Amino acid sequence: GAGVSQSPRYKVAKRGQDVALRCDPISGHVSLFWYQQALGQGPEFLTYFQNEAQLDKSGLPSDRFFAERPEGSVSTLKIQRTQQEDSAVYLCASSLYKGEAFFGQGTRLTVV
Amino acid sequence: KQEVTQIPAALSVPEGENLVLNCSFTDSAIYNLQWFRQDPGKGLTSLLLIQSSQREQTSGRLNASLDKSSGRSTLYIAASQPGDSATYLCAPEGAAGNKLTFGGGTRVLVKP
Repeated sequence: GAGVSQSPRYKVAKRGQDVALRCDPISGHVSLFWYQQALGQGPEFLTYFQNEAQLDKSGLPSDRFFAERPEGSVSTLKIQRTQQEDSAVYLCASSLYKGEAFFGQGTRLTVV
Repeated sequence: KQEVTQIPAALSVPEGENLVLNCSFTDSAIYNLQWFRQDPGKGLTSLLLIQSSQREQTSGRLNASLDKSSGRSTLYIAASQPGDSATYLCAPEGAAGNKLTFGGGTRVLVKP
């Protein structure tokens, strides 16, 4: 596709439920990033992939958060046993390598 | 750890006025700096990217300057229009090229 695609756009989860958020980066982009954005704040870094290698996961808030990119293209962010504080917009971005990053529309997660 | 501050947090101006948005960052060892626009409920749209070796970058009515040594970037928007109303975010990319760090953004309202 022409841009970064994320799905679903909206997700409502009951507390304790597991969720999986998908990101389709721009074809050929080596770098892929996940960010978490709370209401009224700037995005916070979660994790970074270079191809299939997860090179930085320092921003993942707990071991309930897990990300993968097994074939170096599509990535999935999984949150286990969701809690109310996980409610946020999750943004995915990709870039060729270093350089201009392109963001998807985000997935708004609401935990009830 | 990189920290990014954007001042002012919010700005309201009449149509036609020029806008000046400020961004400061603590770690000058950056690879580049991007300015983004975010509309409510939407993802981030890249506006300008300045390489660390550049002093400024221009696109239409937008001009961004970078003073890496002092940890500052400024986004100028000339002759503002109501359609410029949005939140503007700056994000330096670390020298390793693996992480954008965001400020809290400047929320701009241009009144017709």
